[in-house]
Amino acid sequence: AQSVTQLGSHVSVSEGALVLLRCNYSSSVPPYLFWYVQYPNQGLQLLLKYTTGATLVKGINGFEAEFKKSETSFHLTKPSAHMSDAAEYFCAVSLSGGYQKVTFGTGTKLQVIP
Amino acid sequence: SAVISQKPSRDICQRGTSLTIQCQVDSQVTMMFWYRQQPGQSLTLIATANQGSEATYESGFVIDKFPISRPNLTFSTLTVSNMSPEDSSIYLCSAGLAGGGETQYFGPGTRLLVL
Repeated sequence: AQSVTQLGSHVSVSEGALVLLRCNYSSSVPPYLFWYVQYPNQGLQLLLKYTTGATLVKGINGFEAEFKKSETSFHLTKPSAHMSDAAEYFCAVSLSGGYQKVTFGTGTKLQVIP
Repeated sequence: SAVISQKPSRDICQRGTSLTIQCQVDSQVTMMFWYRQQPGQSLTLIATANQGSEATYESGFVIDKFPISRPNLTFSTLTVSNMSPEDSSIYLCSAGLAGGGETQYFGPGTRLLVL
């Protein structure tokens, strides 16, 4: 079984400031971890994913996330926020080994203040 | 990657009626999934649809309420039956690519309002 906890349902940052969205997971086996973004009235778009290998993964739009097994975390960061980053972000986890059920966190709405 | 389209994009329906949502993928995919996203909430998996077999439903979801078809490797439908206002949600389909890969690609969603 697996679960995801996203700390903070709403996060506000100033344009140009660091973006940090927190995600902690629970998994009985090595997990696959994902970050998705959902813009208003749209579906989900994959930002990045971790499966195996390098623990720092880079995604689209300048986002990256680091898998920290000891902390069971997969926080999403971006050095400098842009107005276009305003959206809802979902962390998700699945068990490793092919296609498995994906469990989503409750989401974090990112507001970027000009 | 895969491009996924859904029809309709949105609908307003009357209580007691049914709506069938179509999901089309631009490439062959092994797995297709249907999710519900209730207002202001996260995604909840309804069922997994494999081609040539019965869909597998998650706890709390039943085939009579959400029948699913998966006639080929690029297409699936979800029907929301005997709708009530509590069924007002966004319904999203997603797909995992054939030949490996752990990523699910999502359609734009169908926004359903039941009056």
